[in-house]
Amino acid sequence: GAGVSQTPSNKVTEKGKYVELRCDPISGHTALYWYRQSLGQGPEFLIYFQGTGAADDSGLPNDRFFAVRPEGSVSTLKIQRTERGDSAVYLCASRSGAADTQYFGPGTRLTVL
Amino acid sequence: GQQLNQSPQSMFIQEGEDVSMNCTSSSIFNTWLWYKQDPGEGPVLLIALYKAGELTSNGRLTAQFGITRKDSFLNISASIPSDVGIYFCAGRSTARQLTFGSGTQLTVLP
Repeated sequence: GAGVSQTPSNKVTEKGKYVELRCDPISGHTALYWYRQSLGQGPEFLIYFQGTGAADDSGLPNDRFFAVRPEGSVSTLKIQRTERGDSAVYLCASRSGAADTQYFGPGTRLTVL
Repeated sequence: GQQLNQSPQSMFIQEGEDVSMNCTSSSIFNTWLWYKQDPGEGPVLLIALYKAGELTSNGRLTAQFGITRKDSFLNISASIPSDVGIYFCAGRSTARQLTFGSGTQLTVLP
């Protein structure tokens, strides 16, 4: 597709469960970002990949959060032992190497009951 | 995490009116950006500003990068119903990550 896609669009889980959220960036984009957006707030940075490696993971809130991008394209955000406070929209964005513009996907709405 | 101070939080305006919103920060940014987000969608870039003092237009939108590099404003002229949405400012420092404001919810009344 032409844009960033994210799956699932909605995820409902129970407290303590493990979840995986997937991001398919725009083809050829080397940089990939994850953000978390709580209700009524702007997106907050979580992690940034340049190629396969995490160039900056300073926004991950704790060690329950982990992200991978093994082949430098698709990325998966993994959350262990989910808590109700993890409920938010998780946004993915990608950027081509030389450009500044980040293109956002529609997000995954995570609800932890 | 750090967020920019964006105001107003919400605005109700009549169709055809002009609207202005702004962002301030305690930190310096090298780039200021303005995004619009519709329900169920990710933010879409409207305008990017790269130099202090820069004034840039995109159709009915005008944005400026403050001289101090700590603030920016966005103006929308002659508002129309499709301008409804949430507008976010974002700043980028030397790191590639973006720091977002908390958003301005714009409602355009017919």
